[in-house]
Amino acid sequence: SQQGEEDPQALSIQEGENATMNCSYKTSINNLQWYRQNSGRGLVHLILIRSNEREKHSGRLRVTLDTSKKSSSLLITASRAADTASYFCAPDTGRRALTFGSGTRLQVQP
Amino acid sequence: GAGVSQTPSNKVTEKGKYVELRCDPISGHTALYWYRQSLGQGPEFLIYFQGTGAADDSGLPNDRFFAVRPEGSVSTLKIQRTERGDSAVYLCASSLAAQGRETQYFGPGTRLLVL
Repeated sequence: SQQGEEDPQALSIQEGENATMNCSYKTSINNLQWYRQNSGRGLVHLILIRSNEREKHSGRLRVTLDTSKKSSSLLITASRAADTASYFCAPDTGRRALTFGSGTRLQVQP
Repeated sequence: GAGVSQTPSNKVTEKGKYVELRCDPISGHTALYWYRQSLGQGPEFLIYFQGTGAADDSGLPNDRFFAVRPEGSVSTLKIQRTERGDSAVYLCASSLAAQGRETQYFGPGTRLLVL
């Protein structure tokens, strides 16, 4: 499969703590994107990291990419209850459509 | 501007019936995608349009599923002889195809329940 696989499947933390989610994939990629989904509805794009980048920041989000290990991580710092959602990675393997794993379900307790 | 919109939000139908799901992409986006998401799973690709033509329909599960985009904007996903296993959230996304590996913008989805 060319899809990314997120780990852990579920994560529960307290508000203010950091949340780290990991993504592994199997083939070489052009870039990798992270998306968030609230309540099983539409996905929202969070961040895109290109294959020649190692780290990227956007607000409270930090994404790393290790192409040698075929893995990426998403760190959310100082989490808030509103960060409660499912998070998906989508490695771009050259195919136009995105392929998603089962996601990480993050629960931030107030 | 407005985002991707999908109608209806929810659709309940009986097994064997025909349904149509509509997607209005962001104005100017030439690429349009349909995904299906079952409970607890990530979205699964169905079909991708570039303009009016289906550039990749390899994700359609069988010939009961069909999608059109006659004028290169609005798209309709059509499901014939619905089965209970078709119950899922159907997501539509659009993107600016000219921008290489661009972001896809998703609609809120249509929740289909086949009884």
